[in-house]
Amino acid sequence: AQKITQTQPGMFVQEKEAVTLDCTYDTSDPSYGLFWYKQPSSGEMIFLIYQGSYDQQNATEGRYSLNFQKARKSANLVISASQLGDSAMYFCAMRNTGKLIFGQGTTLQVKP
Amino acid sequence: EAQVTQNPRYLITVTGKKLTVTCSQNMNHEYMSWYRQDPGLGLRQIYYSMNVEVTDKGDVPEGYKVSRKEKRNFPLILESPSPNQTSLYFCASSLDRGFTDTQYFGPGTRLTVL
Repeated sequence: AQKITQTQPGMFVQEKEAVTLDCTYDTSDPSYGLFWYKQPSSGEMIFLIYQGSYDQQNATEGRYSLNFQKARKSANLVISASQLGDSAMYFCAMRNTGKLIFGQGTTLQVKP
Repeated sequence: EAQVTQNPRYLITVTGKKLTVTCSQNMNHEYMSWYRQDPGLGLRQIYYSMNVEVTDKGDVPEGYKVSRKEKRNFPLILESPSPNQTSLYFCASSLDRGFTDTQYFGPGTRLTVL
């Protein structure tokens, strides 16, 4: 069965420090995409970063990078130089074809 | 600006009163989908559409209907809402259904059914 697991319900980080949000996945399909979304308290779902199963290099988008370890089936999100505006819930999701399968999310709080 | 729009953003209604949540995208995307988000249950797909006039059930379709008469629009219809349909609803769209296609989400609709 396809599944996404996020084991950290909540995390704190000091402003300007880096933080890693964990995500592990399970699928038997060799073709899949991994996505991270941010959901601030206002509720919208904001796409952050994508990693494909055949991509050789880790994805990066500005302060976001994805630490993709295929053998371990993990796709951790790294946020560098945290800002107060990064406080939000973060979802890891996987797509084979069609729907996205989401993890339960991690709430990140950035401390000033 | 490329976007997915939903209306209304907030809605409080009563049991049994039919309602429609509209969704529109301006990115010429083929694939559109509805999700609901509930505490402890995460996001679950309700219905999806791969093209005009092509729709299919997701994981939690009971109590909902959809239609796709135009490529850009994908309304969600609750014929007889019940309190267990109180939730945060998201419309999403992507270029296609492949694993490389990013789904972009609308701003969400917070629905309360009394």
